[in-house]
Amino acid sequence: NAGVTQTPKFQVLKTGQSMTLQCAQDMNHEYMSWYRQDPGMGLRLIHYSVGAGITDQGEVPNGYNVSRSTTEDFPLRLLSAAPSQTSVYFCASSYDSLRAEAFFGQGTRLTVV
Amino acid sequence: GEDVEQSLFLSVREGDSSVINCTYTDSSSTYLYWYKQEPGAGLQLLTYIFSNMDMKQDQRLTVLLNKKDKHLSLRIADTQTGDSAIYFCAESPFSGGYNKLIFGAGTRLAVHP
Repeated sequence: NAGVTQTPKFQVLKTGQSMTLQCAQDMNHEYMSWYRQDPGMGLRLIHYSVGAGITDQGEVPNGYNVSRSTTEDFPLRLLSAAPSQTSVYFCASSYDSLRAEAFFGQGTRLTVV
Repeated sequence: GEDVEQSLFLSVREGDSSVINCTYTDSSSTYLYWYKQEPGAGLQLLTYIFSNMDMKQDQRLTVLLNKKDKHLSLRIADTQTGDSAIYFCAESPFSGGYNKLIFGAGTRLAVHP
């Protein structure tokens, strides 16, 4: 079973470039979310979605856009990359926002120079 | 506000017990979680405890919850080198109709012979 798949695993961007981080899950989960992980800060929620067509902002949404056109996919777009967005990004999914078990992707390590 | 605190490092000898502590702030959290992150990997749910429980045991893992003090701990019995990882505590405050995960900064567990 694939679970939660993130692509790419690594990416280097120049300041001002845009890109999309892909996330797909094959478990028919309603709830999907994006986090960034920075040293000494744990994971911080960027955006989340409670179902197809529904998205909302998390703790640190500025500079990022999301959409949820299907249950399976939840891409994260960086509109104009900045060095402060250098981080490891994780996508996660769960049955719904109340269920305990969240499944995480392997992460995308992004460097903005 | 929502905040989860945990110590950043713990070093133990192989075969000893490890105890990782966490404090949280939001008493509305329905579930409290422990996640494990191995190098270069995503987060894996280790165990969770429902907020109306005091203790949960799962093989070598014991979770203790003190709701009065908002204190959560994870005890790993007979710690092995394979347990070396970063352990994240997370709470799930109920906000705006949904449970969101709030993570601590993570405790890096080092197991030495």
